[in-house]
Amino acid sequence: KAGVTQTPRYLIKTRGQQVTLSCSPISGHRSVSWYQQTPGQGLQFLFEYFSETQRNKGNFPGRFSGRQFSNSRSEMNVSTLELGDSALYLCASSHITGTNPYEQYFGPGTRLTVT
Amino acid sequence: QQQVKQSPQSLIVQKGGIPIINCAYENTAFDYFPWYQQFPGKGPALLIAIRPDVSEKKEGRFTISFNKSAKQFSLHIMDSQPGDSATYFCAASPSHFGNEKLTFGTGTRLTIIP
Repeated sequence: KAGVTQTPRYLIKTRGQQVTLSCSPISGHRSVSWYQQTPGQGLQFLFEYFSETQRNKGNFPGRFSGRQFSNSRSEMNVSTLELGDSALYLCASSHITGTNPYEQYFGPGTRLTVT
Repeated sequence: QQQVKQSPQSLIVQKGGIPIINCAYENTAFDYFPWYQQFPGKGPALLIAIRPDVSEKKEGRFTISFNKSAKQFSLHIMDSQPGDSATYFCAASPSHFGNEKLTFGTGTRLTIIP
């Protein structure tokens, strides 16, 4: 099976712009979670989608949003970018049902740099 | 109450030694505890996970020890190799449907020297 894929892998944006990141989960996985990884704050949970519905949300401002499509692919959007949004954005997928429902598998991430 | 505390921050071990990384949690709702390995430029890879109904789990050279009463768990790497040099993260989450978000420790940078 192919793993979790994320596009683009690298992105450079300017303060004030907006950005959309994409994630394709492992085939058959219906839950997609997004995490932000920075050297200072570590890995922090952004939100999780299951069956096109946001089920959980972390402590991030409303500038961070996401959605999930009927094929389980997910996008996250960050509006009005700030310098502090520079980070590695990771997507993880999980099956939710089956033998190991809570195992989350991560993609390679999108490295976002805000200048 | 959501924190997972991980130590040490960095660790240097000679090849063949047994590095041990420790984590502690407070939230009693946590009942799924995975460990992830991350190499530079890559996403975290799931290594091994444990639930509170067992005190130890082994997969290959990786072992998790779990102490439910102390709310602590640790990762041991047997016969460590230079290729094990990476950053290791412990994590925890509730495992009931609808609330599976992972809370991560701060990471341990492990270096195995030949």
